[in-house]
Amino acid sequence: ETGVTQSPTHLIKTRGQQVTLRCSSQSGHNTVSWYQQALGQGPQFIFQYYREEENGRGNFPPRFSGLQFPNYSSELNVNALELDDSALYLCASSPGRQGSRGEKLFFGSGTQLSVL
Amino acid sequence: AQTVTQSQPEMSVQEAETVTLSCTYDTSESDYYLFWYKQPPSRQMILVIRQEAYKQQNATENRFSVNFQKAAKSFSLKISDSQLGDAAMYFCAYRGTYNQGGKLIFGQGTELSVKP
Repeated sequence: ETGVTQSPTHLIKTRGQQVTLRCSSQSGHNTVSWYQQALGQGPQFIFQYYREEENGRGNFPPRFSGLQFPNYSSELNVNALELDDSALYLCASSPGRQGSRGEKLFFGSGTQLSVL
Repeated sequence: AQTVTQSQPEMSVQEAETVTLSCTYDTSESDYYLFWYKQPPSRQMILVIRQEAYKQQNATENRFSVNFQKAAKSFSLKISDSQLGDAAMYFCAYRGTYNQGGKLIFGQGTELSVKP
């Protein structure tokens, strides 16, 4: 139903490497946000993009960066991977901009990243 | 800064019985949204119910209802007639007035098991 797809589903990287995670938003959605969910924790907001521009960011270092493309697909890039970056990374899309505070977010099933 | 706390790491309920999951939050804002999300083993976060802070009436969605106590900053979820498919992690989440770029603040989660 949600139509948000993420790839890959699982990924193993080595400390110091770089990784790119991908998200395809639900049709008609122009806002995408990314969350990091460590094992046994609730998701933490990384950043949000609206019409290809970042319009909000959580408490994550600059080595976490993103892109949103004209077709509203999105990428999360993490440079210089650290062991603590091991987590489930969730992408969520929504139709509107930040004015729609109560709107439903549609989540993907996430990418499980393991950093060795 | 806003915080969300779920003090019950695990809860258990008998099939067809009622269970209540607790959530408290801290904020200085007067207008905001609160959400309950469900995360089954598929990892995809699914919206269960949402409540706007300035609405006094508690939200209901079929077997799911909330007890919203604004003064106490409490937002509990009641699941009636529990079903096996309700077994999942449940997260309480907050979204503030100024939205901070779409930021949802999640609690630590409550793992609900349903016994047949």
